[in-house]
Amino acid sequence: AQSVTQLDSHVSVSEGTPVLLRCNYSSSYSPSLFWYVQHPNKGLQLLLKYTSAATLVKGINGFEAEFKKSETSFHLTKPSAHMSDAAEYFCVVSDGGATNKLIFGTGTLLAVQP
Amino acid sequence: DTGVSQNPRHKITKRGQNVTFRCDPISEHNRLYWYRQTLGQGPEFLTYFQNEAQLEKSRLLSDRFSAERPKGSFSTLEIQRTEQGDSAMYLCASRPPGQGTVDNSPLHFGNGTRLTVT
Repeated sequence: AQSVTQLDSHVSVSEGTPVLLRCNYSSSYSPSLFWYVQHPNKGLQLLLKYTSAATLVKGINGFEAEFKKSETSFHLTKPSAHMSDAAEYFCVVSDGGATNKLIFGTGTLLAVQP
Repeated sequence: DTGVSQNPRHKITKRGQNVTFRCDPISEHNRLYWYRQTLGQGPEFLTYFQNEAQLEKSRLLSDRFSAERPKGSFSTLEIQRTEQGDSAMYLCASRPPGQGTVDNSPLHFGNGTRLTVT
């Protein structure tokens, strides 16, 4: 079965410093991986997705993620945090079955300090 | 693209009452998913529709839960005899038809219905 593990439940950074949100996946085949963001009282928004075309995936708002098969990781990064980045971030894998449902990690809450 | 619409946004009900939520997916999205999200957790899959057919149900979906998508467009999720443990955010998502064997299309989520059972 496919699964993802988000290694940090909370991450706090200062504005202007780099962001690193860690995610490891478990999959019996080449996975489809996503990062979603959820701002307070708002719906889930897709940040980026891994399509196997390139291991470094660029998303919206300056975020990117690198697929590393040898480490079974799909960490999310951003060079410089902005106050508006404060939100909950979910690493997600597609289960690849007939329904291709998405399986979510437990989330990482990102706080950005001024 | 008007997005996925869910109604109501909030629902407060007393234990034992029945509640029904509605989801209107993005037009031409034939695939529809329901998820439940409790505080501090990621969304958990509940059920999946392809057109009007309900093709998968999670074990989380007890006998008190029922979902329908009668005409392959909007969907409803009903909870009978609500319990305090049902308090959560109920999320609906839709997706366009799959293409080929590799499906990397993302889910488009609505803003959810927050249920509070008192």
